[in-house]
Amino acid sequence: EPEVTQTPSHQVTQMGQEVILRCVPISNHLYFYWYRQILGQKVEFLVSFYNNEISEKSEIFDDQFSVERPDGSNFTLKIRSTKLEDSAMYFCASSDGPAGELFFGEGSRLTVL
Amino acid sequence: AQSVSQHNHHVILSEAASLELGCNYSYGGTVNLFWYVQYPGQHLQLLLKYFSGDPLVKGIKGFEAEFIKSKFSFNLRKPSVQWSDTAEYFCAARFNDYKLSFGAGTTVTVRA
Repeated sequence: EPEVTQTPSHQVTQMGQEVILRCVPISNHLYFYWYRQILGQKVEFLVSFYNNEISEKSEIFDDQFSVERPDGSNFTLKIRSTKLEDSAMYFCASSDGPAGELFFGEGSRLTVL
Repeated sequence: AQSVSQHNHHVILSEAASLELGCNYSYGGTVNLFWYVQYPGQHLQLLLKYFSGDPLVKGIKGFEAEFIKSKFSFNLRKPSVQWSDTAEYFCAARFNDYKLSFGAGTTVTVRA
């Protein structure tokens, strides 16, 4: 069964450092998403991406965040200067259409010290 | 504001017991509803979804959910749980845009 893969599974970084989280969506999917879950809180939407541009973003997704599809397979989330409150599990997801089922990766746990 | 709420934070039950997890949403328009499950150390998996039609939806692993429009609810049920159902369960909704809005999640612990 095709799946969404994410790397790294866990990253520990110092406050102020840049972090890039990587995702390989399902190959024929066109819609890509990042969500995050701070420990003990809801899964929150960050951003959706389609046709090489952001289609929607939440209030959380400020100027410190960016997404990119650098090649035909990867979808990355960059945090330019991490803060303590960025510590969370980050989930990538993809779907084949705007109303399609979202398939999630296993998540990347980010710990900012 | 559009939102999804789950009533139970943590549910503990014994094998063979019946399970019902509550989910309510707040939105007056058309909504797509989902239940996801996350087993320990694994990714979110779709259990079932409701877009339209029969309000009683059957999903994988013996789960079902009922959409009750008048109550803005989409409760998840399983008549007889197994130890392997220990997981976190998330209700989610798609309102008038692409993204999913999630509830806070319910941790289900099934004791053997």
